[in-house]
Amino acid sequence: AQKVTQAQTEISVVEKEDVTLDCVYETRDTTYYLFWYKQPPSGELVFLIRRNSFDEQNEISGRYSWNFQKSTSSFNFTITASQVVDSAVYFCALSRDYKLSFGAGTTVTVRA
Amino acid sequence: NAGVMQNPRHLVRRRGQEARLRCSPMKGHSHVYWYRQLPEEGLKFMVYLQKENIIDESGMPKERFSAEFPKEGPSILRIQQVVRGDSAAYFCASSLYRQGETQYFGPGTRLLVL
Repeated sequence: AQKVTQAQTEISVVEKEDVTLDCVYETRDTTYYLFWYKQPPSGELVFLIRRNSFDEQNEISGRYSWNFQKSTSSFNFTITASQVVDSAVYFCALSRDYKLSFGAGTTVTVRA
Repeated sequence: NAGVMQNPRHLVRRRGQEARLRCSPMKGHSHVYWYRQLPEEGLKFMVYLQKENIIDESGMPKERFSAEFPKEGPSILRIQQVVRGDSAAYFCASSLYRQGETQYFGPGTRLLVL
């Protein structure tokens, strides 16, 4: 069975602060895929990043960065210098093949 | 550069009516997935389809729910005799290939059952 845990339910920060979202996963598969999606207040689901289990290279994309550590089964996501537009629910997801298993999501509120 | 399209965006039905949700995948994508987002349950997989084939419907309720992806036209998620518990956001996603590929989501259909 696959399971994704996002322990943080809500995070509230002031603009320009950094925000780190935790994601811990469980799987018995050796090949699997990890994703982060964003759901802004408008409701759509926006793809942010995809990683496969063989690629532990961390990535930075603009103000976003991801830290994938197989040893601790974690795939954390950091927003640097947060902005009000970053306010959204962020979902971590795991799949072995095609079926995405989502975490419960972390609501991020960035205050001006 | 059209993404995944879903319509309607909002749908209101009375108990016992039918709901039809439509999804057009991204251009060139032949794999379609439906997910349901319930307030207390989060996002859950429902069904995976390719053209004219249901590949995996393990997440679909056994009764009243059906899905299709015909050779021509959009994928349809159909809910017969809706009940209040069907009120949720229904998302469609598509991907280019199957294994491990990024699924791009549509804007969702918010179904409200009165």
